[in-house]
Amino acid sequence: GAGVSQSPSNKVTEKGKDVELRCDPISGHTALYWYRQSLGQGLEFLIYFQGNSAPDKSGLPSDRFSAERTGGSVSTLTIQRTQQEDSAVYLCASSLRQGLGYTFGSGTRLTVV
Amino acid sequence: RKEVEQDPGPFNVPEGATVAFNCTYSNSASQSFFWYRQDCRKEPKLLMSVYSSGNEDGRFTAQLNRASQYISLLIRDSKLSDSATYLCVVNREGNEKLTFGTGTRLTIIP
Repeated sequence: GAGVSQSPSNKVTEKGKDVELRCDPISGHTALYWYRQSLGQGLEFLIYFQGNSAPDKSGLPSDRFSAERTGGSVSTLTIQRTQQEDSAVYLCASSLRQGLGYTFGSGTRLTVV
Repeated sequence: RKEVEQDPGPFNVPEGATVAFNCTYSNSASQSFFWYRQDCRKEPKLLMSVYSSGNEDGRFTAQLNRASQYISLLIRDSKLSDSATYLCVVNREGNEKLTFGTGTRLTIIP
């Protein structure tokens, strides 16, 4: 597509529930990244996918977080047993290759109540 | 020490003025540098890459000083629409992920 598409744009969930966030990167972009941004904070790296290589999961904050990328395109970030501290904007970005900047999606605003 | 450090501001600058931000990075292996702009409640958007020789894009000039490990962004003839948070971004050699500073908030005053 023309840009990075994320869904849903907003998600309110109860503490303890599981959520799935979706990212559809720009067509042809082999690199896909998930970041999150808490209110008034900087961007925190979560996970990175590059082609068929094993993902870099070094930023995932706990084992409640997981992500997959199917067919080298769409990615899903799953948060199990959500906690209030998971509330943040989850941003997906894609890139054509290393050394180039990212293009971000508009994010999913997750609120855990 | 944070890998990328920025003065959070806020910078309140009158319209038409020139404003400059600096950003320092701690890892000398850093290879690629960028400035992103983020409007309130929006996603970050790439403003410009920063090249070793310095580069200019209209009213915006970016410079890199590898010896002192800082990058700068200069905005000339500032417009009201320049009000945003400016994020300094660094990429280490051999590492795909970008590291973001926490941003400098700029408000242009009419």
